[in-house]
Amino acid sequence: GAGVSQSPSNKVTEKGKDVELRCDPISGHTALYWYRQSLGQGLEFLIYFQGNSAPDKSGLPSDRFSAERTGGSVSTLTIQRTQQEDSAVYLCASSLGGLAGGNTGELFFGEGSRLTVL
Amino acid sequence: AQTVTQSQPEMSVQEAETVTLSCTYDTSESDYYLFWYKQPPSRQMILVIRQEAYKQQNATENRFSVNFQKAAKSFSLKISDSQLGDAAMYFCAYRSAPHYGGSQGNLIFGKGTKLSVKP
Repeated sequence: GAGVSQSPSNKVTEKGKDVELRCDPISGHTALYWYRQSLGQGLEFLIYFQGNSAPDKSGLPSDRFSAERTGGSVSTLTIQRTQQEDSAVYLCASSLGGLAGGNTGELFFGEGSRLTVL
Repeated sequence: AQTVTQSQPEMSVQEAETVTLSCTYDTSESDYYLFWYKQPPSRQMILVIRQEAYKQQNATENRFSVNFQKAAKSFSLKISDSQLGDAAMYFCAYRSAPHYGGSQGNLIFGKGTKLSVKP
């Protein structure tokens, strides 16, 4: 499709297991973002990729969280040794970057991956 | 660092009436974007309206309009003729404008306002 695609839609895991969440951004978007949204809360910034620049990891809550973006497209968010407090919806978004023509500053969001840690 | 504040955790409006959601922000930048996003129970964030800080004219999209007061750093959303489908969480967000040699950075969100529409 033409939008941001995230998988899995829902993931239930046991405490201590590792999980991987995938995001496929809109084609041509050089910027990619991960946010976390706990139940009934706002969006917490996690990490931001812009082109070939070093990612902004300032929002990652602990060293159990990491993300990579391969070939400037698909991104994977990995959570190691999951804890119950990691339960949340993980939202991915993409946008045109920097001074790209047509950049309105808008982020386009996927439908999120709901993670439940038992 | 920029911050966004939404002081109304919940709001309620009667169908067909008008409601205004408040948002204030703090920044030292002169050029930036402001957004209102809607998040229905399906959880996908949908852009409602955007405003560029250098434009004095308030943005309007059909039943949605904003009151942008740059000096006061205020960016409220007005929904006219409210419909049942408007019920959702509404998030106000800030983003720096792009500039040479730097990263535009991420979108900074307020904590949201839950809007209920009564039939």
